[in-house]
Amino acid sequence: LAKTTQPISMDSYEGQEVNITCSHNNIATNDYITWYQQFPSQGPRFIIQGYKTKVTNEVASLFIPADRKSSTLSLPRVSLSDTAVYYCLVVPLNAGNMLTFGGGTRLMVKP
Amino acid sequence: GAVVSQHPSRVICKSGTSVKIECRSLDFQATTMFWYRQFPKQSLMLMATSNEGSKATYEQGVEKDKFLINHASLTLSTLTVTSAHPEDSSFYICSAYKGGNTEAFFGQGTRLTVV
Repeated sequence: LAKTTQPISMDSYEGQEVNITCSHNNIATNDYITWYQQFPSQGPRFIIQGYKTKVTNEVASLFIPADRKSSTLSLPRVSLSDTAVYYCLVVPLNAGNMLTFGGGTRLMVKP
Repeated sequence: GAVVSQHPSRVICKSGTSVKIECRSLDFQATTMFWYRQFPKQSLMLMATSNEGSKATYEQGVEKDKFLINHASLTLSTLTVTSAHPEDSSFYICSAYKGGNTEAFFGQGTRLTVV
């Protein structure tokens, strides 16, 4: 399974755009890039998933360059409630959801 | 999205006793469920993969006789922590696989404290 590397922590302020970059140098052809959000004492929650270029939903955008060796999760105009741990995962197609979590990025949004 | 419910959300038990945690997929059938453990300030660690109607597959280092997993139906998997010790205190999380290339759906987690 492809290993991911992301910053341990990030600080931001309300209203700012936050970009969290994840490195996955040995991503395979069949791998998708998936991001989850976890609040304290809760299970992770799916945010977004992509294979290449750009994906956008109501919560975030995911930017993936052509070589797919990295990806950037973009959170527009964060609020205090976006304070959480964000995990970047590389998941093989049809892996059956067996997920290997890395360390994640602890985002702190300040007023 | 799909709903996965875990019960209980919080439990305190005495050393030496056993505790059962339930994971239910409420609105879909899950042929596969996964159990994770998470210690404070750490990431989730996969403990085992639970397949309906068959024995669970445990990750290296996870004692199968201590962490009993049963997946008797397509909507329910249980994790029983047997002869619990204080070092088993942790946050246990399940996820259910809906099928296809879909995202994982996680339960809300169970905080186990062994005293």
